[in-house]
Amino acid sequence: EVQLVQSGAEVKKPGESLKISCKGSGYTFTSYWIAWVRQMPGKGLEWMGIIYPGDSDTRYSPSFQGQVTISADKSISTAYLQWRSLKASDTAMYYCARPYSSGRTLYYLDYWGQGTLVTVSS
Amino acid sequence: QSALTQPASVSGSPGQSITISCTGTSSDVGSYNLVSWYQQHLGKAPKLMIYEGSKRPSGVSNRFSGSKSGNTASLTISGLQAEDEGEYYCCSYAGRSTLVFGGGTKVTVL
Repeated sequence: EVQLVQSGAEVKKPGESLKISCKGSGYTFTSYWIAWVRQMPGKGLEWMGIIYPGDSDTRYSPSFQGQVTISADKSISTAYLQWRSLKASDTAMYYCARPYSSGRTLYYLDYWGQGTLVTVSS
Repeated sequence: QSALTQPASVSGSPGQSITISCTGTSSDVGSYNLVSWYQQHLGKAPKLMIYEGSKRPSGVSNRFSGSKSGNTASLTISGLQAEDEGEYYCCSYAGRSTLVFGGGTKVTVL
């Protein structure tokens, strides 16, 4: 059974750093992309970016380029989303998801993690 | 890369049919037959309802159907039921290994 299990909720102060994780199981981790999706309180889904753990090919939405870092450790089948300096506006639920793809073409997000709630407040 | 355009809300009575539109551009919806639709209930992760424009994953009711014309995709829910209430998002491949979401549509069963 394919599963994406995300790390737990975080409460941080502005300016602090943070790295949240998404562990894949039940499939070959290096053969599928992992995407990150943001959902701010009461708002819609936003595409942040994606990584292919097999070769670490990483793509970012222009809105998130330079704001976050996506990485993966294929030895432990885990993808990460990282901030160097959090802002209050980073408060949101963050989902990882696995796209069904053919090569570099992404078709749809068929498996989702349970979400990690990040709260940034002084 | 702008978000796809969806109506903010759509409502219908039980048993009726409703349609949610999703308008993109020739760079995303219009270029690929790779629109997917997701249902999200409050506090839950999104669930895939339609993929590749009109295909249903195993386990999704055949009351859900999808279509596309030009730069606009549509999701139709027929025989509306109370359990269909929630938020619905469209999503399209936008080239270069990127996806773009719509702003979401709140479905209310009256």
